[in-house]
Amino acid sequence: EIVLTQSPGTLSLSPGERATLSCRASQSVGDNYLAWYQQKRGQAPRLLIYGASSRATGIPDRFSGSGSATDFTLTISRLEPEDFAVYYCQHYANSPWTFGQGTKVEIK
Amino acid sequence: EVQLEESGGGLVQPGGSLRLSCAASGITFSTYWMSWVRQAPGKGLEWVANIKQDESEKYYVDSVKGRFTISRDNAKNSLFLQMNSLRGEDTAVYYCARIGSMPGKHWFLDLWGRGTQVTVSS
Repeated sequence: EIVLTQSPGTLSLSPGERATLSCRASQSVGDNYLAWYQQKRGQAPRLLIYGASSRATGIPDRFSGSGSATDFTLTISRLEPEDFAVYYCQHYANSPWTFGQGTKVEIK
Repeated sequence: EVQLEESGGGLVQPGGSLRLSCAASGITFSTYWMSWVRQAPGKGLEWVANIKQDESEKYYVDSVKGRFTISRDNAKNSLFLQMNSLRGEDTAVYYCARIGSMPGKHWFLDLWGRGTQVTVSS
């Protein structure tokens, strides 16, 4: 089983600032078989990024993903008020799919 | 409208059973792999199971193997999760999700329902 470790656990930032979230895999996730999701309180998750760097339909370009093999990053270039949420990475390289434990981006 | 809607959650005693349903609308349900994902109270997301379009392939997280069964009815645009021998650690919101795909074997959960609460307690 591939274990995904996200850091930091919580990121305290102000609107307009840049957010950098990390996701590290215990082994390679192959051909960048990694996705990122956003979850707001009381809501279902929403797909942001797949293939480590491809934005899903309708996702603003302030969200970008990068990385390969075992180290991945989600960057939010300028935080908007609606971006304060919990973010999860997830791999789909093999079964079982697993998620990271999440990074909470909160208002400073 | 494109949506997934779960139902069937509730309170059940340890050792009991529950069957979750997910009704799909606005999508060509029969052409997609589908998935169940759960989230325990105050915790992160946990993938539970995937099912292929024709039910010929099914995958489960180890913790539910032998207890949960994923199935579907393409004629009724519905996904199911039969949960037996339920335990306290199965308490969670259960989400139904569509598995989208792109060339290069990229799969992702691109459409989610709102979830249904399952509570296992005596």
